Amino acid sequence: GAGVSQTPSNKVTEKGKYVELRCDPISGHTALYWYRQSLGQGPEFLIYFQGTGAADDSGLPNDRFFAVRPEGSVSTLKIQRTERGDSAVYLCASSSGPGNEQFFGPGTRLTVL
Amino acid sequence: GENVEQHPSTLSVQEGDSAVIKCTYSDSASNYFPWYKQELGKRPQLIIDIRSNVGEKKDQRIAVTLNKTAKHFSLHITETQPEDSAVYFCAVRGGSTLGRLYFGRGTQLTVWP
Repeated sequence: GAGVSQTPSNKVTEKGKYVELRCDPISGHTALYWYRQSLGQGPEFLIYFQGTGAADDSGLPNDRFFAVRPEGSVSTLKIQRTERGDSAVYLCASSSGPGNEQFFGPGTRLTVL
Repeated sequence: GENVEQHPSTLSVQEGDSAVIKCTYSDSASNYFPWYKQELGKRPQLIIDIRSNVGEKKDQRIAVTLNKTAKHFSLHITETQPEDSAVYFCAVRGGSTLGRLYFGRGTQLTVWP
């Protein structure tokens, strides 16, 4: 079946702008995760959804970052007033449960000029 | 939170040789230890994982060993092939972190033909 998909694959924006990144998890997966990966680093956790609710948002760096998953499937990561330091690859992953294998999407490369 | 250290950061081996990558962690309650392979520009893909009630797991040329007392685990790749060249990440799920993974900084493995 289809894996995790993310759109757009690349996003270039200007400092101060607002961006939305979308994640489509594997069908039926109740757990969804957002990670951020900077060049030469491992993925860094941002937020975890179980169903529609954010079960753990402790990785969000500040209040400019927000994520939603209103119907328990697709999730959107929203970044307000983007800064150059937000430039990274944003990865989404899903799993059939919090203790199970996480399948990653291809990521969205965000560049803030 | 969990602190994951991964070594070495780069590893070069001749085709057919073995490669070993090591990770340490800090939270003694951690219970799940996956390894991901990431090729350039691609998504991380799970290659093997181990849970805290097991000391070793093998899958063809790949094995993972876990020492809970010392809080370290290792990835072993035997009979390496050029297509094994990639960045490898270890990850840890803490005992109380509801599914989020903490990643190491990665090891760039290069297998020379």
